[in-house]
Amino acid sequence: DTGVSQNPRHKITKRGQNVTFRCDPISEHNRLYWYRQTLGQGPEFLTYFQNEAQLEKSRLLSDRFSAERPKGSFSTLEIQRTEQGDSAMYLCAITNEKLFFGSGTQLSVL
Amino acid sequence: QQQVKQSPQSLIVQKGGIPIINCAYENTAFDYFPWYQQFPGKGPALLIAIRPDVSEKKEGRFTISFNKSAKQFSLHIMDSQPGDSATYFCAASLEGSNTGKLIFGQGTTLQVKP
Repeated sequence: DTGVSQNPRHKITKRGQNVTFRCDPISEHNRLYWYRQTLGQGPEFLTYFQNEAQLEKSRLLSDRFSAERPKGSFSTLEIQRTEQGDSAMYLCAITNEKLFFGSGTQLSVL
Repeated sequence: QQQVKQSPQSLIVQKGGIPIINCAYENTAFDYFPWYQQFPGKGPALLIAIRPDVSEKKEGRFTISFNKSAKQFSLHIMDSQPGDSATYFCAASLEGSNTGKLIFGQGTTLQVKP
């Protein structure tokens, strides 16, 4: 147990639909990260939060992506007008001296 | 310059063998190099990590060798077991160990045959 819960585990959607993923750290952690992992590749950094403030966004995070962490605890990642290229595993992670990942949400865009 | 290049892409060894996975980097400002292990359907899990002022680190059957002058580092798995079959990722950070912003290699899929 890494202390990071992600829901849903799997999401299948049609192109053009909006999707939202949720990340729940089990205990309070100041920093929360989102990564994307496509098939056969390593995870790629998307964005991170220090408490409720979003401090950095990767250029991979297009305008269709938005992340929030309203109370500095759980976080959501929304993708609007999904495209087939958005199909990937979306990973949430927290730092507790080291980086710990959740099990991810596998998104398939048909 | 921000990339971490990992090889080989896949590796098959017999039980008890010593698979070696290599990574190379360009940016000498990297100051933390972790290795992650990932099983299908799971997120990556930290295995072992090293800082550039150390040439070798061992934790159980896992060893990292670090060559600062060559800008390369490698993971050795001693006495490999079928349960070690997984995908392994090297990574690098510009901000030390207490950071979640890592640059990952492309991954190596390891199969350990019984």
